[in-house]
Amino acid sequence: AQSVTQLGSHVSVSEGALVLLRCNYSSSVPPYLFWYVQYPNQGLQLLLKYTSAATLVKGINGFEAEFKKSETSFHLTKPSAHMSDAAEYFCAVSLNTGGFKTIFGAGTRLFVKA
Amino acid sequence: EPEVTQTPSHQVTQMGQEVILRCVPISNHLYFYWYRQILGQKVEFLVSFYNNEISEKSEIFDDQFSVERPDGSNFTLKIRSTKLEDSAMYFCATGQTMNTEAFFGQGTRLTVV
Repeated sequence: AQSVTQLGSHVSVSEGALVLLRCNYSSSVPPYLFWYVQYPNQGLQLLLKYTSAATLVKGINGFEAEFKKSETSFHLTKPSAHMSDAAEYFCAVSLNTGGFKTIFGAGTRLFVKA
Repeated sequence: EPEVTQTPSHQVTQMGQEVILRCVPISNHLYFYWYRQILGQKVEFLVSFYNNEISEKSEIFDDQFSVERPDGSNFTLKIRSTKLEDSAMYFCATGQTMNTEAFFGQGTRLTVV
């Protein structure tokens, strides 16, 4: 069964520091992978997606993620954290099962310290 | 930029009442989904819908829940006889084809009291 594991329910970084949010997936077929961000009391915003093209994917707000098949990982990074990056981040895998069901990870809350 | 619109943004209902959550999909999208996020927890798949029928549903989506597209535009989630534990954020998502990602609405926060 397909699943997503996010390592670390909370990550805290200083402003200007590197952001690294970890995500591992399991899938029996080539997956579509996504990172979403959720600000408090808001909906889900797509940060970036991997759909079997380039393995290094660039998204909005300076985020990027690299698909590593050998490690079944899709970690999210940003070179320099900003206070406005504080939010909940969800890694997700989508499955083509007669539709495009999305399975979400448990989420990682990012805290950014001044 | 086209977007998925959900109404209401917040609904409070008494336990045992029925609620209908509404979603207006992006105009050329054919695949529709509902997800649920209980406060502080992850987003969970409820159901997918295509060609006026359910394609797949999770174990959460029991007889208490139903979906339909009554007028060819709105996509609704009905929850009968609501329980306290139905309190959650409900997200609608729509996709153009079965091979493209779904776009999420801003959600409806349901509070059952």
